[in-house]
Amino acid sequence: NAGVTQTPKFQVLKTGQSMTLQCAQDMNHEYMSWYRQDPGMGLRLIHYSVGAGITDQGEVPNGYNVSRSTTEDFPLRLLSAAPSQTSVYFCASSYSWRGGNEQYFGPGTRLTVT
Amino acid sequence: SQQGEEDPQALSIQEGENATMNCSYKTSINNLQWYRQNSGRGLVHLILIRSNEREKHSGRLRVTLDTSKKSSSLLITASRAADTASYFCATEKEGAQKLVFGQGTRLTINP
Repeated sequence: NAGVTQTPKFQVLKTGQSMTLQCAQDMNHEYMSWYRQDPGMGLRLIHYSVGAGITDQGEVPNGYNVSRSTTEDFPLRLLSAAPSQTSVYFCASSYSWRGGNEQYFGPGTRLTVT
Repeated sequence: SQQGEEDPQALSIQEGENATMNCSYKTSINNLQWYRQNSGRGLVHLILIRSNEREKHSGRLRVTLDTSKKSSSLLITASRAADTASYFCATEKEGAQKLVFGQGTRLTINP
């Protein structure tokens, strides 16, 4: 199994541009989530999904959209990039939300917005 | 807002010593998890402790949970250079379908 994969690894955007960060998992996990990690801030939840067709907002959803049309994929869209969105983005998945399960993390996407 | 607060923010010890990190949180939880992050990498799950458990062990790791004090500790015994990493606690609040992470403890093991 490849686990959780993310593309691209690095990206530089200009302010106002849009882009999609890709996330895929091959473990048939129900639950998927997106976090951003800023220096000294730990991880903050952007959006999450408890199954295909179901998404919800986390702590910091503004400026980001998600959709979950399949179990495997959970793309994160930046609508109009801003310098404040410069961060490292992590996608994670877990077997199910019910009963407490460990999350598996992807390697991250380092995004710089100039 | 961050649910978990970790202490200390940074810890530097000699190889072979024990390392203890603490996590405090604010609301009732279903479970608390600890993760490790090596520099530039994604997080890796270490251990999960449920709200009705007080202590769990996994290899050189020992986690305790005190729900009355809303705190947890992670003990790494006989530390090794490979344990150098950042360690995060994450809490699943009651009724919530998400984990909330602390800011992490940066652990450095000196040879």
